[in-house]
Amino acid sequence: DQQVKQNSPSLSVQEGRISILNCDYTNSMFDYFLWYKKYPAEGPTFLISISSIKDKNEDGRFTVFLNKSAKHLSLHIVPSQPGDSAVYFCAARPGGSGSYQLTFGKGTKLSVIP
Amino acid sequence: DTEVTQTPKHLVMGMTNKKSLKCEQHMGHRAMYWYKQKAKKPPELMFVYSYEKLSINESVPSRFSPECPNSSLLNLHLHALQPEDSALYLCASSQGASSQHTQYFGPGTRLTVL
Repeated sequence: DQQVKQNSPSLSVQEGRISILNCDYTNSMFDYFLWYKKYPAEGPTFLISISSIKDKNEDGRFTVFLNKSAKHLSLHIVPSQPGDSAVYFCAARPGGSGSYQLTFGKGTKLSVIP
Repeated sequence: DTEVTQTPKHLVMGMTNKKSLKCEQHMGHRAMYWYKQKAKKPPELMFVYSYEKLSINESVPSRFSPECPNSSLLNLHLHALQPEDSALYLCASSQGASSQHTQYFGPGTRLTVL
């Protein structure tokens, strides 16, 4: 059973426009959510995170929105740049100490077209 | 500084070989992780060390043997691997074990088992 779902395997966006990557989760115990960016043959790079007590977190061009009632989060990239082309993974962790398990979605491949 | 380093970058080994993967971080993080990632799949957790003690072994075969010599180093000893063990092996670390601690990943070791 997939607890973190990224239903779009790929997304193409024109340079300068907004990229919106979506993620849904089923486990109501998740209380911390992260987005990672990954280039081929490299490890995931942490981008931005959000705690379940917030509904929005912003860092430069990246904004993550969390809708707890819908169990949905999204990552907005504005404006999109060609260097943003990568695979984006959504990940989630349950609350509490010792909650090591980071559950990843399958990823969305973003292509930003110049 | 959020750097996690891994060596070697690439490793090719036969099924009878013994090799080790190394991971290092100098961020003072007290939790360290090994993940395995196959192509076009999300990372899968293998082991977690918290305060240099093995906390989680996610039903990983005994041909993979983790070791945490000190708080900055994490090794993964490999012996009698199978071709299906070929994958990208990722190390990660986090400040602590709570859900609010972000995991930072190394670049990975690309392992090929012949």
